[in-house]
Amino acid sequence: ETGVTQSPTHLIKTRGQQVTLRCSSQSGHNTVSWYQQALGQGPQFIFQYYREEENGRGNFPPRFSGLQFPNYSSELNVNALELDDSALYLCASSRDRSNEKLFFGSGTQLSVL
Amino acid sequence: AQSVTQLGSHVSVSEGALVLLRCNYSSSVPPYLFWYVQYPNQGLQLLLKYTSAATLVKGINGFEAEFKKSETSFHLTKPSAHMSDAAEYFCAVSEQAAGNKLTFGGGTRVLVKP
Repeated sequence: ETGVTQSPTHLIKTRGQQVTLRCSSQSGHNTVSWYQQALGQGPQFIFQYYREEENGRGNFPPRFSGLQFPNYSSELNVNALELDDSALYLCASSRDRSNEKLFFGSGTQLSVL
Repeated sequence: AQSVTQLGSHVSVSEGALVLLRCNYSSSVPPYLFWYVQYPNQGLQLLLKYTSAATLVKGINGFEAEFKKSETSFHLTKPSAHMSDAAEYFCAVSEQAAGNKLTFGGGTRVLVKP
């Protein structure tokens, strides 16, 4: 059984650019959630995807968008990057949208210069 | 709206001493409560969860937490700290109806002294 994998592990972008982060969910899981963890803070919920549809969104602007594919892997896209977008982006998968056990990947560290 | 407050961003304990990490929450409906641990350069790992069954919850690595509704608290304890417990710990809450969309506290970094 493979765990949650995220790519890339590190990324450096400049302000105004666009970025795509990828997540492969754990085998048998159909729900993926994305979190942003700024330095020294707890993770903040961005959005969740269940069976390819968005199933809830946190307090993030529309330039944060996502996709979930038929194999339940997922992408997080951020447009018009700002300096404050620098953070660790965590992906978590779960067996379904109501199952309370989340399995987290190791994250993508994004630096915006 | 729900929120989580973790008292103390850093805690230092001696090896073998009690570990106590404090978490208070606010929620308008019965919550689910969680403790996660994050080791350097890793994602979060679930330590334990409360989902309205027993109020004293036992987790992995010898940790346990007690849900106290009257105090809106869910403090994490371990009787005897080990060097491997050095990590950052996050308390989180979700509304039962919201399933597994979590609101996290700011985290408490634990340092274990030999």
